Parts: sequence; structure tokens; C-alpha cells
Amino acid sequence: DIQMTQSPPSLSASVGDRVTITCQASQDINKNLNWYQQKPGKAPELLIYDASNLEKGVPSRFSGSGSGTDFTLTISSLQPEDVGTYHCQQSDKSPYTFGQGTKVEIK
Amino acid sequence: QVQLMQSGAEVKKPGSSVRVSCQASAGTFNSYTISWVRQAPGQGLEWMGRIIPVIDVANYPQKFQGRITITADKSTTTAYMDLSGLRSDDTAIYYCAREPIGPYGVTALFDYWGQGTLVTVSS
Repeated sequence: DIQMTQSPPSLSASVGDRVTITCQASQDINKNLNWYQQKPGKAPELLIYDASNLEKGVPSRFSGSGSGTDFTLTISSLQPEDVGTYHCQQSDKSPYTFGQGTKVEIK
Repeated sequence: QVQLMQSGAEVKKPGSSVRVSCQASAGTFNSYTISWVRQAPGQGLEWMGRIIPVIDVANYPQKFQGRITITADKSTTTAYMDLSGLRSDDTAIYYCAREPIGPYGVTALFDYWGQGTLVTVSS
């Protein structure tokens, strides 16, 4: 199975800060990487697919980049409503595996 | 509006089975699959398998083979996940999620999720 490693496990940042979360795959997954946001007590929601494509309705302060084994999710200006846990997921090979998540809080 | 409505919370004994349902809005089964993903307390997300309703084919990862059965009733646009031989480490929130079928087949991205069903396994 492909292992997905996210870092950091958690972070605390101020409103307006630029936030970066990384995700590393244990083997080359091309651009087959998706990002989800999970607000407390809610189901995950798709943010970005195929490494860099913004899902409809997602604010433009979110962006994704990377290919191969190394990927990044960036929030250009953190907002209070961005609090939650962010998960990466590889869609290259079954079983489709997720990272352990990055919890984002407001300082 | 896309909807995936799941059945309610369950409490089960070790060794028993559980069935969780997921009713999708009309038309979902024509162009999408339904996957099941679980989240144990304080843990990450884990993909458990999918059903492709239009051809009635299910795929399961090796970890769950023999213990899981995913089915779909096209007449009611409802998907079901049956998990047997329950253990305490099966305690989790179980989500169904919609997966678009693209021009080259399944996409393995999950664009809408149900609200989740808590399954607690305890003696």
C-alpha cells in the first residue's frame, strides 16, 4: 500500500497568515493527489483534486501544488472559518490511502 | 442538490455484524460510484471499498476482504455496507462518499460525503 505522510500534525497560526501543509507519498503518484477539509464534527469536504485543481465553490485562498511524491496545500491568508483538519489522499492505486491529517487552529 | 443520507448510530457486540445504509439523491447511481470510508476516534481516514451501481460491481481492499460486503439497490438509490466479525477496533464513524466516474473509469476522488454513522463495538 502507498503510505501518505503529512506534516505538521498540527499548527496554530494567526488570522491572515500564510499556512503550508505538506504531504509525501511513499512512491510516485504522478498528480493523483486530493485534499479534503474536515471541520469539527463534520464530514470531510473536497478542496483540491489532481494536486492543483480547485473544487467548485472553494475560496481562491486555497491552492495545491506538487507531483511525484511531494505535495503542498497552501492557505494564502488564514481565516477563522478555515479551522479544522486537512487530509491528503492518493488516488493513484487501490487501496486509496489518506494521510494522518493536519489540525489547523487559530492562534 | 446532492444528498447522501446515512442511517443512524449503532451499538454492536464483538463478533456481530452491522449494516449501514446511504440513500443518494436521484441520478447519482448513473454516473458515480459509492465508496465507504471510516474514521476511528482520533485517527485518519480509511477507504473500505466501493460499489459501482451501474454495473453492480464492488471492489474491496485486501484488508477488508471476507468481512465486508457493499451492495446497491438501484430502485431506491441506496447503498449498503455490511461489516461482519466486529471487533473493538471497528469502532468508528463510517462515511459513504460519492465518486465521479470519468472518461477513463473511476476517479478515486470523493466529491460529496454523507453525514457519517457512528458504530460502537462494545461488550
